[in-house]
Amino acid sequence: EAGVAQSPRYKIIEKRQSVAFWCNPISGHATLYWYQQILGQGPKLLIQFQNNGVVDDSQLPKDRFSAERLKGVDSTLKIQPAKLEDSAVYLCASSLLGGTSGPQETQYFGPGTRLLVL
Amino acid sequence: SQELEQSPQSLIVQEGKNLTINCTSSKTLYGLYWYKQKYGEGLIFLMMLQKGGEEKSHEKITAKLDEKKQQSSLHITASQPSHAGIYLCGAEAGKFYFGSGTKLNVKP
Repeated sequence: EAGVAQSPRYKIIEKRQSVAFWCNPISGHATLYWYQQILGQGPKLLIQFQNNGVVDDSQLPKDRFSAERLKGVDSTLKIQPAKLEDSAVYLCASSLLGGTSGPQETQYFGPGTRLLVL
Repeated sequence: SQELEQSPQSLIVQEGKNLTINCTSSKTLYGLYWYKQKYGEGLIFLMMLQKGGEEKSHEKITAKLDEKKQQSSLHITASQPSHAGIYLCGAEAGKFYFGSGTKLNVKP
């Protein structure tokens, strides 16, 4: 079974530029998550989709970050404009079901996209 | 996150030694996950605990969830260099949270 795919693996941009990340979850997984992991910290949930609907985006900086999951499969996360503090690893994960109540289904993670903002 | 505190923050052990990593929550845990992360890679799922007192093992790694369901421990027996990495606990409390991780180095 193919895992979660992410691209690009690495990206270097200058501040105020735009950047987009792509994620393809495990086939059949309804729930997709985007996390931001700053060096030395644990991942922080940015947004959670169930199929193509947003379940939680309370920690997404909506003035500069946006995400979409068209057709309930692939997802893109965009930053516009980027700031220095956005330098981090952006992780995508998927789970079979997930949801807002009860124990979460196990999440399976992609390799991440390492972003450096200069 | 402050919802999940991990200790220690980092650990260096000699190959063959046993070690324990702790994860403490300020809230009752309804599902506690352990993941391992190697530098530059994504998180690898290790195991999930749901019931108080539950214990699971995979190869030389054992995880327990205490009866009051507010703390979990991860124990590695006879550590090997392949165990090196960052161990993260995660749990749901409205949304999914991770601890800040424990960095493990195993010296050959």
